Amino acid sequence: SQTIHQWPATLVQPVGSPLSLECTVEGTSNPNLYWYRQAAGRGLQLLFYSVGIGQISSEVPQNLSASRPQDRQFILSSKKLLLSDSGFYLCAPAPRLLRDETEAFFGQGTRLTVV
Amino acid sequence: GQQLNQSPQSMFIQEGEDVSMNCTSSSIFNTWLWYKQDPGEGPVLLIALYKAGELTSNGRLTAQFGITRKDSFLNISASIPSDVGIYFCAGLYTGTASKLTFGTGTRLQVTL
Repeated sequence: SQTIHQWPATLVQPVGSPLSLECTVEGTSNPNLYWYRQAAGRGLQLLFYSVGIGQISSEVPQNLSASRPQDRQFILSSKKLLLSDSGFYLCAPAPRLLRDETEAFFGQGTRLTVV
Repeated sequence: GQQLNQSPQSMFIQEGEDVSMNCTSSSIFNTWLWYKQDPGEGPVLLIALYKAGELTSNGRLTAQFGITRKDSFLNISASIPSDVGIYFCAGLYTGTASKLTFGTGTRLQVTL
């Protein structure tokens, strides 16, 4: 089965500082990978997805960027954080949807507070 | 980005009561998923629905995939305190990207 590692769990960063969040996936090869953000009290918003190494698609215009340097590694970055970048960031591979084996995991998440 | 309309937004219920929540979309999906999220953690999958009209149960949870493929509902029977959390629906139209579109969430709080 798939395992998702996401770190750090919590991060407090000043406005204008850079950001790097890392996500790695085990137990699968060539996965589609996704970054979501959840603002306080809200649902999950898809930020980026990647169907392979070096392939990034952005869903919403924003201050963030993503990279896929290796098959099982997905990185979320920013050169200069804004207050509005605060939120709970979640990484996930594509759901594996089989009737007898359904897997739809998320990482543990990173709670980012920009101050 | 698109989000699905989920209702109710929040609800207080007494332990032992049944709960219903639903999700509607302007787009069709070929898979519906229901998740539960506890504070500070990522969502955990509860039920997956693969076919229009399908009714699926997981313990005290029952979910249905709407005939129009644009809606789904989740029922929780005989609620208990550990049912507290936020429930999200998610729609998926499988393809190269297989992107999940999430509902806005239903916050469930149970009073003893």
